[in-house]
Order: sequence, then C-alpha cells, then structure tokens
Amino acid sequence: DVKVTQSSRYLVKRTGEKVFLECVQDMDHENMFWYRQDPGLGLRLIYFSYDVKMKEKGDIPEGYSVSREKKERFSLILESASTNQTSMYLCASSPPRFTEAFFGQGTRLTVV
Amino acid sequence: QQQVKQSPQSLIVQKGGISIINCAYENTAFDYFPWYQQFPGKGPALLIAIRPDVSEKKEGRFTISFNKSAKQFSLHIMDSQPGDSATYFCASAVTGGFKTIFGAGTRLFVKA
Repeated sequence: DVKVTQSSRYLVKRTGEKVFLECVQDMDHENMFWYRQDPGLGLRLIYFSYDVKMKEKGDIPEGYSVSREKKERFSLILESASTNQTSMYLCASSPPRFTEAFFGQGTRLTVV
Repeated sequence: QQQVKQSPQSLIVQKGGISIINCAYENTAFDYFPWYQQFPGKGPALLIAIRPDVSEKKEGRFTISFNKSAKQFSLHIMDSQPGDSATYFCASAVTGGFKTIFGAGTRLFVKA
C-alpha cells in the first residue's frame, strides 16, 4: 500500500519559532508537494520539488522554505512562525507525468 | 491567477438521493480533471478523474460529467450513502505539469 507519512498530526508552536514539518514517501516518486488547506480556500500550493535538491515556489511561498536532501523526504520549514500560518499542512507525492497525487494525513499546526 | 470555482460550499442530501457538485475552470490548457475525497482526519484521496476527450466517466456510483465548451465539470454521486459524507475537491491540471489547481471544496453530509 502506497504511503506518504507526515511526522506529526498536531503541532503547537509559539510565534517566532522555527518550525520543521517532515514528510516521507515510500513510492519512489520524483515529485513532492507541500499544500496548505484552509476552510473556503481549498488546497494552495506552497512549494514543490521534482528531484532531489530541486525546488520550485508554488502560489503562496512567502514565509516558508523547503529542503529535499533525499528522494523520499521533503521538509517544509517555517523560518519564523506567525499566527497567520496556523493551518492544516498536507504533503503529497506523484510520479513524473503527474496524474494522481498521493497525500499524507496532514499536520494541523497552531501558532500561538 | 488561474481559478477553479467549486459550488456549493456545503451540501446535505438524504440517503439514497443524488449529490451534485459543480466546478468551472478558466484555463483551456488543462487536460486532467480529478476529484478528490477527504474524510475527517485524513488527507485527500483520488476518487475519479476525467480527460476532456470524453464527456462522461462513471465508476460505480460516481460519475463525472464534462462540458468542454462551457469549461465546466461536475461530480454526481448516485444513491448517496452516509459513508459518502466527506469533503470533495475538484481540481484541474496539465498533464506533465506540476501545478494542480484545486477548488475550495464541498462538505457533503448524507443524512441516514
């Protein structure tokens, strides 16, 4: 069974903290994605990566960075967490020609 | 900004009824139109998808209807069941591209 695993289901962090969200996939997919899910706004793409050490900005990259040192692992970094980054974060992976995206279970981040 | 407009935001249907969710897209370059289903506490999962060379695709109780000239597509859930209660996202993408544009989501509740 294919799997995308996010390291935390729930996180509470303080304003100004540096936050790491980790994602691992076991499908040997080239593409990996970080989305943010907010009510009424759907899923918005933060960053994606099509290969190790490669990254591209999505639609809302401000305040975020990413790291992909290994094919199976894609990390999202909040350099200095702010309350407006409180949200559900979803990691996904897909094969090269991108048809179906496989999502992790999500990390609900609260910044206080 | 490319958009995919999804309606309604929420939907309540009686068990056995038909659930209908509509989406409209703008970019004529899109050639892949998936629907994702998300249960509480889970990430979205692909439910059914269509390409614009056909006007309808059916998988079990789920049907996508596609109108290329109107740039609209819809999900029909026949004989809706309480287990179908979830959030549904339509999406649009270009095959081989990296950006999938998601609709805002529809929360479906099927009353027993």
